[in-house]
Amino acid sequence: SQKIEQNSEALNIQEGKTATLTCNYTNYSPAYLQWYRQDPGRGPVFLLLIRENEKEKRKERLKVTFDTTLKQSLFHITASQPADSATYLCALALFTGTASKLTFGTGTRLQVTL
Amino acid sequence: GAVVSQHPSWVICKSGTSVKIECRSLDFQATTMFWYRQFPKQSLMLMATSNEGSKATYEQGVEKDKFLINHASLTLSTLTVTSAHPEDSSFYICSAVVPEGYGETQYFGPGTRLLVL
Repeated sequence: SQKIEQNSEALNIQEGKTATLTCNYTNYSPAYLQWYRQDPGRGPVFLLLIRENEKEKRKERLKVTFDTTLKQSLFHITASQPADSATYLCALALFTGTASKLTFGTGTRLQVTL
Repeated sequence: GAVVSQHPSWVICKSGTSVKIECRSLDFQATTMFWYRQFPKQSLMLMATSNEGSKATYEQGVEKDKFLINHASLTLSTLTVTSAHPEDSSFYICSAVVPEGYGETQYFGPGTRLLVL
C-alpha cells in the first residue's frame, strides 16, 4: 500500500542549530515533492517544490533534498529561530491529467527553543 | 505570492442544517481548486478536486451528495455540507492551483472550522 511517513511526530532543537526533517515514502512515483509549513488553526503555507530529477533546492535558510532511489526527502532549516516553530508537512504530487493531486504526510511538529 | 481566502473562518450549526463554505483566489485565476479536511492532530485528507465549469471529482469514500462542490467561476469554488452531523465537525481547507515553471503549486486558504452541534 502507499505510505508517506515523516520521521518523527515532534522535534525539539535549540535556537541556532540546524533542524532536519525526514519524509519517506513507499509505493509512489511522484512527479515532484513539496514542503509546507502549517501553524495551529491555519492553512498550510508553501515553502519549496523539488522535482524528481533535482537533487537539491535552496531558499534562504531552507534546503530540500530528494532521493528517488531511497524514496526520501530531507528538509533542513539552518540557523533555526523560535519563529520557525510550526508543523512541517511533506506532500507528494501525482499527475492526474488536469492537475496534480497532493498526498500529505502526517507532519513533524518542530519546536525551537532559546 | 498567490492569495486564497475562505469564508467563513468558523461556523457553528445545528445538526441537520446545511453550511456553505467559499474559497476565493484573490489575485489569480484558478481552473482547479481542491478541498481538504483535517481532523485534530491528523494530516490533510483530500476530499475532492473542483474544476471550473465541470463536475467535481471526489475521492474514494467521500459522499458527493453530502459535500456539494460548485466551481462557477475561475476565482470561486464553494463547498456545501448538506444535512451536517456532529461527525462532520472538522477543519475544511481549500487550495487553488498556480502553474509554475517546474510544476504546479497549491496555495491554501486559511481554513474554515466547522462545529456541528
